[in-house]
Amino acid sequence: AIQMTQSPSSLSASVGDRVTITCRASEGIRDDLGWFQQKPGKPPKLLIYAASTLQSGVPSRFSGSGSGTAFTLTITSLQPEDFATYYCLQDYNFPRTFGQGTKVEI
Amino acid sequence: EEHLVESGGGLVQPGGSLRLSCAASGFTFDTSPMNWFRQAPGKGLEWVSYISSRSNTIYYTDSVKGRFTISRDNAKNSLYLQMNSLSAEDTALYYCAREKVEMTAVSIVNYFDYWGQGTLVTVSS
Repeated sequence: AIQMTQSPSSLSASVGDRVTITCRASEGIRDDLGWFQQKPGKPPKLLIYAASTLQSGVPSRFSGSGSGTAFTLTITSLQPEDFATYYCLQDYNFPRTFGQGTKVEI
Repeated sequence: EEHLVESGGGLVQPGGSLRLSCAASGFTFDTSPMNWFRQAPGKGLEWVSYISSRSNTIYYTDSVKGRFTISRDNAKNSLYLQMNSLSAEDTALYYCAREKVEMTAVSIVNYFDYWGQGTLVTVSS
């Protein structure tokens, strides 16, 4: 199975900060990667798919980049509603695998 | 509006069985591959199983192979997960999710755009 290594596991930030989360795949996955946001008690919400495509309705302060084995989720100008846990997910092959998650805290 | 509603979770003893259901509405279910995911309390997300739109392709994560069976009834817009020989490690919130498949000029793009709210499975004596 492809291992997804996500970092950091948590970070402290303030409103207005620029935040960067990275995911590294144990082998090349082209651009078959999605980013999700999850708040307590809620299902995951798709933010980015195909590594860099913004899902409809997601604010443009979210962006994704990368290909192959290294990927980045960037949040420019962090907003209060962005404090949550973020996960990457590879859909290159089965089994689909997630990163361990990054908790973004104040 | 698109909806996925899971049901069937509950408390079950180790070794027991449960059947989860996921009712879909607001999108074309019979052309959509579907997945089950789960999340143990306080833990990260885990993919569990996949079924293609016509049920001809199915995958499982290794830890549930031989114990879980995914199925669907397109006439009823419903997805199922039969879970047997349950253990404490299966305790989790189970989500169903739609997998959207798009053909671009150069590739096929997959993404998980609709998720249910989840149904909780607790395995305990």
